[in-house]
Amino acid sequence: DTAVSQTPKYLVTQMGNDKSIKCEQNLGHDTMYWYKQDSKKFLKIMFSYNNKELIINETVPNRFSPKSPDKAHLNLHINSLELGDSAVYFCASSQDGWDSRQFFGPGTRLTVL
Amino acid sequence: AQSVAQPEDQVNVAEGNPLTVKCTYSVSGNPYLFWYVQYPNRGLQFLLKYITGDNLVKGSYGFEAEFNKSQTSFHLKKPSALVSDSALYFCAVRGNTNAGKSTFGDGTTLTVKP
Repeated sequence: DTAVSQTPKYLVTQMGNDKSIKCEQNLGHDTMYWYKQDSKKFLKIMFSYNNKELIINETVPNRFSPKSPDKAHLNLHINSLELGDSAVYFCASSQDGWDSRQFFGPGTRLTVL
Repeated sequence: AQSVAQPEDQVNVAEGNPLTVKCTYSVSGNPYLFWYVQYPNRGLQFLLKYITGDNLVKGSYGFEAEFNKSQTSFHLKKPSALVSDSALYFCAVRGNTNAGKSTFGDGTTLTVKP
């Protein structure tokens, strides 16, 4: 069973479109995250939710809106896609606690044309 | 603000030789330090972490890391590198004063040549 899954794996779309990426974890974790990995492989946190509540919201354009319908799911909706949004987006989850490791999904490669 | 530095973009070693991937950090309060590995087209995988206690931490795949408080470093090591260790390695720090946010270094690409 996959611990953290994301759909779709690949997403190719035109500038200006709206798209969503879904994430689900079956580990029973309370905290979920979205990261963006750019073309240079730099990894930056975007959002974090704990028990469906937003706890980390980095400087991300408000075209990006996370939604957590329950603590096992954290979806990312992106409006008015731009070329610079092209990246690999990773979902992750962890148990509560400062010492908890994160479990990462396989990533969604978004290409904006 | 917390930060992580991985001073080397690339580390090349020959198979069988020891390897070191460097990491230094800055954080308020006690540091929680992690190493993750990313193979091509995959998500990050946890290797090891330092929370408290022994400064030498052992992890997956024969890797270990040494916590040095005075030098604020957490270097990743392996006594004998394998070609299959070739991957992108990330160091991460988490403080207990920042809503649990983890800050990742920029990553170091390790290439092990046969």
